[in-house]
Amino acid sequence: QLQLQESGPGLVKPSETLSLVCSVSGDSIGSGRYYWGWIRQSPGRGLQWIGSIYFRGNTFYNPSLKSRLTISIDTSNNQFFLKLTSVTAADTAVYFCARAPGIFYSDGSGYHTGFDYWGRGTLVTVST
Amino acid sequence: QSALTQPPSVSGSPGQSVSISCTGTSSDVGDYDRVSWYQQSPGTAPKLVIYDVSNRPSGVPDRFSGSKSGSTASLTISGLRAEDEADYYCSSYTRSTAFFLFGTGTKVTVL
Repeated sequence: QLQLQESGPGLVKPSETLSLVCSVSGDSIGSGRYYWGWIRQSPGRGLQWIGSIYFRGNTFYNPSLKSRLTISIDTSNNQFFLKLTSVTAADTAVYFCARAPGIFYSDGSGYHTGFDYWGRGTLVTVST
Repeated sequence: QSALTQPPSVSGSPGQSVSISCTGTSSDVGDYDRVSWYQQSPGTAPKLVIYDVSNRPSGVPDRFSGSKSGSTASLTISGLRAEDEADYYCSSYTRSTAFFLFGTGTKVTVL
């Protein structure tokens, strides 16, 4: 059974960098059939897609976060990562990692469908 | 476009049917059959209930069905049950620079 687990600091100071790890068990993130994504949900608000990564390291980012965002992957340890710089209170949210079936083309384009497996989420608060 | 448009809330009595709309554009919902729907209860992660417009993952009751017409997708819950009370979100691939979009979310209340 596939499981995803988010981990990282629950409290980050304003202007600093938010760093999270998603550890995957029950499937290889290098299988090539899936994208691996980050989604967040601010308190009382809806879901916001942050970005997705293919096992070869190809990334797709939400344009509103792109200038502050880095998503990376470590297939040898079955983990992928989120780094968000210069955080503010608006980045306070529950952060989820998830898997999405998809296709990646050799020209660098691709797509994925809906996220079929999710982690339980981790609350990150930005505050002094 | 930063999000697909959903009604904030819908409600129905047990046994009734409710439908939730998800309106996008010709760059996303209108041009691709890559719409998914999620159910989220308070304090839990979203659960996929429909993918690729009308397909149900294993274990999802057939009371949940999806469809699409033009740039609007719909989720219908038939035979409404108390346990269906939750927030529901749609999502879609988009060929715009946004790549992937969620809907604004709909709260389903069972009266």
